[in-house]
Amino acid sequence: AQSVTQPDIHITVSEGASLELRCNYSYGATPYLFWYVQSPGQGLQLLLKYFSGDTLVQGIKGFEAEFKRSQSSFNLRKPSVHWSDAAEYFCAVGSYNTDKLIFGTGTRLQVFP
Amino acid sequence: DVKVTQSSRYLVKRTGEKVFLECVQDMDHENMFWYRQDPGLGLRLIYFSYDVKMKEKGDIPEGYSVSREKKERFSLILESASTNQTSMYLCASSWDRGRNQPQHFGDGTRLSIL
Repeated sequence: AQSVTQPDIHITVSEGASLELRCNYSYGATPYLFWYVQSPGQGLQLLLKYFSGDTLVQGIKGFEAEFKRSQSSFNLRKPSVHWSDAAEYFCAVGSYNTDKLIFGTGTRLQVFP
Repeated sequence: DVKVTQSSRYLVKRTGEKVFLECVQDMDHENMFWYRQDPGLGLRLIYFSYDVKMKEKGDIPEGYSVSREKKERFSLILESASTNQTSMYLCASSWDRGRNQPQHFGDGTRLSIL
């Protein structure tokens, strides 16, 4: 069965520091992978997606993610965090034969000035 | 831009009431989804629909039903609300079945059952 693990419940960084949010998935074939961001009181917004091809994916707001098949990981990165990046981040995995997504439990990012 | 609109941002109901949560999307998407979001549990799929009058159970359908009479509208129904259904409810929509397109989300309805 598919599953997604986000090992970090809460991360705190200083503004301007680099960021990496971890995501590990379990799926037998090549997965479809997504990162979403949720600001307080809002719905989820798509940051980026991986379907195939280049394993380094660029997204909105300066985020990128790298698909590593050998590690079953799809970690989200940003070189320099801004205070407005404080939010909750969700990794999700889908498969080729269904439109359902399995979401991780989320990582809450706090940014200090 | 895709717009997914949930009819209420906040809703307070009483135990035993029948509750309707409405969701409308404006991009002619085939797929629509209802999730509930609880701290530490992430998003859990309640029901989804691939087409008008079509529905499938998600991971936690107990205590819920859905209705999709028109393509753009997907309603979640709590037949007899209970306090353990207090939660944030998120609606989403996406393109054609099988293409695994990204889901677009509404802003959510925070439902409290007293």
